[in-house]
Amino acid sequence: GNSVTQMEGPVTLSEEAFLTINCTYTATGYPSLFWYVQYPGEGLQLLLKATKADDKGSNKGFEATYRKETTSFHLEKGSVQVSDSAVYFCALIPTGNQFYFGTGTSLTVIP
Amino acid sequence: GAGVSQSPSNKVTEKGKDVELRCDPISGHTALYWYRQSLGQGLEFLIYFQGNSAPDKSGLPSDRFSAERTGGSVSTLTIQRTQQEDSAVYLCASSSWGAGQSREQFFGPGTRLTVL
Repeated sequence: GNSVTQMEGPVTLSEEAFLTINCTYTATGYPSLFWYVQYPGEGLQLLLKATKADDKGSNKGFEATYRKETTSFHLEKGSVQVSDSAVYFCALIPTGNQFYFGTGTSLTVIP
Repeated sequence: GAGVSQSPSNKVTEKGKDVELRCDPISGHTALYWYRQSLGQGLEFLIYFQGNSAPDKSGLPSDRFSAERTGGSVSTLTIQRTQQEDSAVYLCASSSWGAGQSREQFFGPGTRLTVL
């Protein structure tokens, strides 16, 4: 079946620290992979995406590489800011119609 | 509007009452999804509409939940005889489908439902 396993939180980091949020998946076919972010009091919004193996999605200093050999799509940022505090969701859409989301990882960045 | 809108933004109801939640997708988007997000939980898929095809209802938790989409645009999620465990944020998302489309989902701000 299709599923997403995401690193559990909450994660607390100091400003300018390095961030990794792990995400692995199982899927039929060749899925597209996404990271969504939910800032406090706001709706989900797309952070970055990758549609095929070895693609790297990037946005706002965040990056994630679609690794088919390890079925992973880990989110990284070299230097986090307080404004990055949010909940991050990994998601995939396989060849079918339905999105599959991870359970979300809460990130708090302290000054 | 430019984005997905949902109404009401907040709904407080008494146990046993029926509620209707509304979603206006982005104009031209043929796919519409409903999710439920409970406190501290991830997104739980509820139902999916795509064009004129029969909806995928596989995520609806019970027969108290139903949804319709009129004219391929606006959707209404109805919860009958609400229970306290129905309290959650209900999210709607839409996306465009077709050759070359990324299928990215655009989310509305959600409706926070509280069942007393």
